[in-house]
Amino acid sequence: EPEVTQTPSHQVTQMGQEVILRCVPISNHLYFYWYRQILGQKVEFLVSFYNNEISEKSEIFDDQFSVERPDGSNFTLKIRSTKLEDSAMYFCASTLQGGYGYTFGSGTRLTVV
Amino acid sequence: DQQVKQNSPSLSVQEGRISILNCDYTNSMFDYFLWYKKYPAEGPTFLISISSIKDKNEDGRFTVFLNKSAKHLSLHIVPSQPGDSAVYFCAASVGGSNYKLTFGKGTLLTVNP
Repeated sequence: EPEVTQTPSHQVTQMGQEVILRCVPISNHLYFYWYRQILGQKVEFLVSFYNNEISEKSEIFDDQFSVERPDGSNFTLKIRSTKLEDSAMYFCASTLQGGYGYTFGSGTRLTVV
Repeated sequence: DQQVKQNSPSLSVQEGRISILNCDYTNSMFDYFLWYKKYPAEGPTFLISISSIKDKNEDGRFTVFLNKSAKHLSLHIVPSQPGDSAVYFCAASVGGSNYKLTFGKGTLLTVNP
């Protein structure tokens, strides 16, 4: 069964450093997303991406965040200057147009120290 | 901002019995609802969805019921199996499955052999 692949599975970074979280969505999917889950809290929407542009973003997704689909297969989330509160599990997801539900990756656990 | 609420953090049932997971929502604009299952160290896995034009959708052992007037949905699992033990998330969107999902906090289901 096709999968959404996320790398790395765990990343530790120092506060103020830039991180890039990588995702390979399912190849024929058209819509791409990033969500995050802070420990003990609910899964929260960050951003959706369609047709090579951001289609929607939450208030969490401020100027420190950016997304890119650089080569037609990868989908990346960059955090420019990480804060302690960015520590969370970050999930990438993708779906077809009119699909019944996203396919999520296994997540990247980001720890900011 | 708890637009989607799962008021039971946990539920324990015996193998073979029915599991009923509940979810309430406050945003009357939501028109598409989904249930996801999540095992530790994995991303959420799509289970079943329902559009607001329906009040029931069934897929094998899983049935979702929607009561729009009460802004309530439930997931029934019959019969429950030990492999169903996981965290179950209710999610909702405005406009369908390609749009951002608002998640509940999840209910940990434990199915005892």
